[in-house]
Amino acid sequence: AQTVTQSQPEMSVQEAETVTLSCTYDTSESDYYLFWYKQPPSRQMILVIRQEAYKQQNATENRFSVNFQKAAKSFSLKISDSQLGDAAMYFCAYRSLSNSGTYKYIFGTGTRLKVLA
Amino acid sequence: DSGVTQTPKHLITATGQRVTLRCSPRSGDLSVYWYQQSLDQGLQFLIHYYNGEERAKGNILERFSAQQFPDLHSELNLSSLELGDSALYFCASSVDGDSPLHFGNGTRLTVT
Repeated sequence: AQTVTQSQPEMSVQEAETVTLSCTYDTSESDYYLFWYKQPPSRQMILVIRQEAYKQQNATENRFSVNFQKAAKSFSLKISDSQLGDAAMYFCAYRSLSNSGTYKYIFGTGTRLKVLA
Repeated sequence: DSGVTQTPKHLITATGQRVTLRCSPRSGDLSVYWYQQSLDQGLQFLIHYYNGEERAKGNILERFSAQQFPDLHSELNLSSLELGDSALYFCASSVDGDSPLHFGNGTRLTVT
């Protein structure tokens, strides 16, 4: 069974600095998707970025980028020029094909990011 | 706005009662997923429906049930409620292709 591990329960970063959140996963599949979701204090779940496993190029969305290491099964999120609005819980998620032919999503336990002014 | 609508936003009820949470997926999305998030916890997968059929079950209690209707909206029924059922319940939808999960804003259930 696939698993997703976020080993950092909490991280802090100074405003305008860069921070990297870690995520590792375990799978025997070769084709899958990985996601980072953000949950601010409002508790909404907001998609930050996604990565297709077959793409070697790391995904980038403005100040957010990933370091995808397929062989190491690592999928870290880098936030550049951190802003106060980046303070949130960040969840890493893995999507795979289930036995029933549809997709299942497995979420990590989350990393709480604090941004210091 | 994700396009996924959940109602009600808040629900306060007493132990032993039954409630129904409703979810309307994004237009065109056939899959609906339900998740439970207790205070400061991660997301616990409850159940997945695809085009009206149950496709996967997670850690869903026997007191909980769900269904997806022909118009693709879904309802999560929680009965014999206990204090520990207090949580944020999310619905998410996807097309099951390249689309990621799109979450609703959640229903916050408080059992007193």
